[in-house]
Amino acid sequence: QSALTQPPSASGSPGQSVTISCTGTSSDVGGYNYVSWYQQHPGKAPKLMIYEVSKRPSGVPDRFSGSKSGNTASLTVSGLQAEDEADYYCYSYAGSNTYVFGTGTKVTVL
Amino acid sequence: EVRLVESGGDLIQSGGSLRLSCAASGFTVSSKYMSWVRQAPGKGLEWVSVIYSGGSTFYADSVKGRFTISRDNSKNTLYLQMNSLRAEDTAVYYCAKGDSALDSWGQGTLVTVSS
Repeated sequence: QSALTQPPSASGSPGQSVTISCTGTSSDVGGYNYVSWYQQHPGKAPKLMIYEVSKRPSGVPDRFSGSKSGNTASLTVSGLQAEDEADYYCYSYAGSNTYVFGTGTKVTVL
Repeated sequence: EVRLVESGGDLIQSGGSLRLSCAASGFTVSSKYMSWVRQAPGKGLEWVSVIYSGGSTFYADSVKGRFTISRDNSKNTLYLQMNSLRAEDTAVYYCAKGDSALDSWGQGTLVTVSS
């Protein structure tokens, strides 16, 4: 149950795009299409942004998109807005009824 | 509207026990997969445990044998019984609806284990 690897930080100017990677193994990210992404503002509970690799829950702006290639999943935020500044975590099913989060990425809007 | 409210967090000595509660409204706990996730101060999220609608339970290696997840259908409440607590268990504990996609979260409850 090792944490999935994310870059510690990412940044972009308003209106630009930022992409966050989430690297695991064939036993988690690469083995299942059960990758989800969460946004967490300071002092708040996480919020589901993407599930099953690329599906968006109702109410999440279409500026948020997800994808996966091999053992790496990605979250792209297009048209960055000030309110997108937050921590982002990926999360994957890891087999044998266990789950694992990524290390987290702090997104800064310049 | 789905709502999850955790309670039970406290300051406790190493080796002690604590039971966290998560009162749910807007849905039936027993019909959904429910999870516990924790976050140590200034750190990332860590999956702790899941209970499936059929009652099967599973745990992270870090808490296996010490923590027990359960639910009370009559109270529509999820629980996390934590025994043999260690300093490294200090964290905000969140309950969440779902397993591979955690679509609703509580506000969290803080557990501090003093050594």
